[in-house]
Amino acid sequence: AQSVSQHNHHVILSEAASLELGCNYSYGGTVNLFWYVQYPGQHLQLLLKYFSGDPLVKGIKGFEAEFIKSKFSFNLRKPSVQWSDTAEYFCAVNAKGYSTLTFGKGTMLLVSP
Amino acid sequence: DTEVTQTPKHLVMGMTNKKSLKCEQHMGHRAMYWYKQKAKKPPELMFVYSYEKLSINESVPSRFSPECPNSSLLNLHLHALQPEDSALYLCASSLRATYSNQPQHFGDGTRLSIL
Repeated sequence: AQSVSQHNHHVILSEAASLELGCNYSYGGTVNLFWYVQYPGQHLQLLLKYFSGDPLVKGIKGFEAEFIKSKFSFNLRKPSVQWSDTAEYFCAVNAKGYSTLTFGKGTMLLVSP
Repeated sequence: DTEVTQTPKHLVMGMTNKKSLKCEQHMGHRAMYWYKQKAKKPPELMFVYSYEKLSINESVPSRFSPECPNSSLLNLHLHALQPEDSALYLCASSLRATYSNQPQHFGDGTRLSIL
C-alpha cells in the first residue's frame, strides 16, 4: 500500500515570500501524483498533477511542483505567495491503473498580508 | 463552483435517526467516491463505485449504507450513527475508476453532526 508524508503541518509566511511544501511518498510501483488545495469553507480543488513526461509540472494560480523519482518526492512551490493562498494543501498519490487516492495529512498555509 | 453537488450542506441528527446524503454529477463520470474528513485531517476513503457497482468498501461500519441508483447519483444512507461519526462527508467523481491519471472532482461536502 502507498503512503504519503507531508513534512510541515503548519506554515506561516508573509506575502511575497517564496513557498515550498514538501511531499514524499512510499510505494514500490509507478504512481500518479496530485496536489489539492482546500480554501476555508470550500471544496478540494486540483492544483496540479503529474503522471508522466516533464517532471516539472505547472498548475493553476502560479503553483508548480517537481517530481524527483530518486527521492520519491513531489514538492509544491510558488515563487511569491499572496494572502489569498491561505488554505490547506494536500498531496495525494495513486497507483497506476487505480484511481483511489491516498492523501497526506495536509499542510495549513497561513499568509499574512 | 464545483461540478459535484452535495445536499444537504449541513445535517444534524440524533443517534436513532435515519437520513441520507446525496451527491450528483453530470460530467459523465463513471467512478464515484465517498470520503469522510475529520477536522484538520485528510479525507479518508469510505466507498468507491464503478459503473454503479460498489467496487471498494474500506471496512466501513454497516450503519453507513451507500447506494448508486444511476450514473449521476450517489447516496449515503445513515442509520444509528455515533457521535464519533460527526465529520465532513465528501463526494467525489472521476472519469473511470481505472483511469488513474484523471483527477477526482470533489463536492463541497455535507457537514454532519450527531447529537
